[in-house]
Amino acid sequence: DSGVTQTPKHLITATGQRVTLRCSPRSGDLSVYWYQQSLDQGLQFLIQYYNGEERAKGNILERFSAQQFPDLHSELNLSSLELGDSALYFCASSHNPGLDNEQFFGPGTRLTVL
Amino acid sequence: GQNIDQPTEMTATEGAIVQINCTYQTSGFNGLFWYQQHAGEAPTFLSYNVLDGLEEKGRFSSFLSRSKGYSYLLLKELQMKDSASYLCAVLDSNYQLIWGAGTKLIIKP
Repeated sequence: DSGVTQTPKHLITATGQRVTLRCSPRSGDLSVYWYQQSLDQGLQFLIQYYNGEERAKGNILERFSAQQFPDLHSELNLSSLELGDSALYFCASSHNPGLDNEQFFGPGTRLTVL
Repeated sequence: GQNIDQPTEMTATEGAIVQINCTYQTSGFNGLFWYQQHAGEAPTFLSYNVLDGLEEKGRFSSFLSRSKGYSYLLLKELQMKDSASYLCAVLDSNYQLIWGAGTKLIIKP
């Protein structure tokens, strides 16, 4: 158990809908990262937050947005969902975005868009 | 641009040794990570190299050559449970992790 929690574990929804994925980082970790992993694909970095502020953006679509709250939990919002958005969404956390930046991953949310 | 290359898939026999290579071209370098990911599960940390040389940790070792932009992960005494994807990731000059696509390792009895 990495100490990172994600909810829900599974999510099934329809095209055009909007969903929110939630992540709680390990106790004491200030950085949160979101990743998308489609079937048999590598990890695609979406976005990073550090202590409530956006720090880095990767290949995140405009239909997607995220935020990190004062209690350091984070939410990833996916809207106008398309079939291609079906994937595993991982959240990871680290203490700070510096050296020896080991990231601890949550169990992921499996999103299925029908 | 930034680029990390790993073989897509490798096959090895139980009890044998396998070496998974990773080459990188990134804007700056602040260390290289190896992660293991079983199918449908979260990646888990294996090793971190920032200086040239070999780091040994049990059955797993990781090597780094910064001048060549090259690393490898060496797995000894392979077990069936080692069947997984192995992800190479480089921490660039902005301390952002750049991920390779991963190497799927298949272990045969």
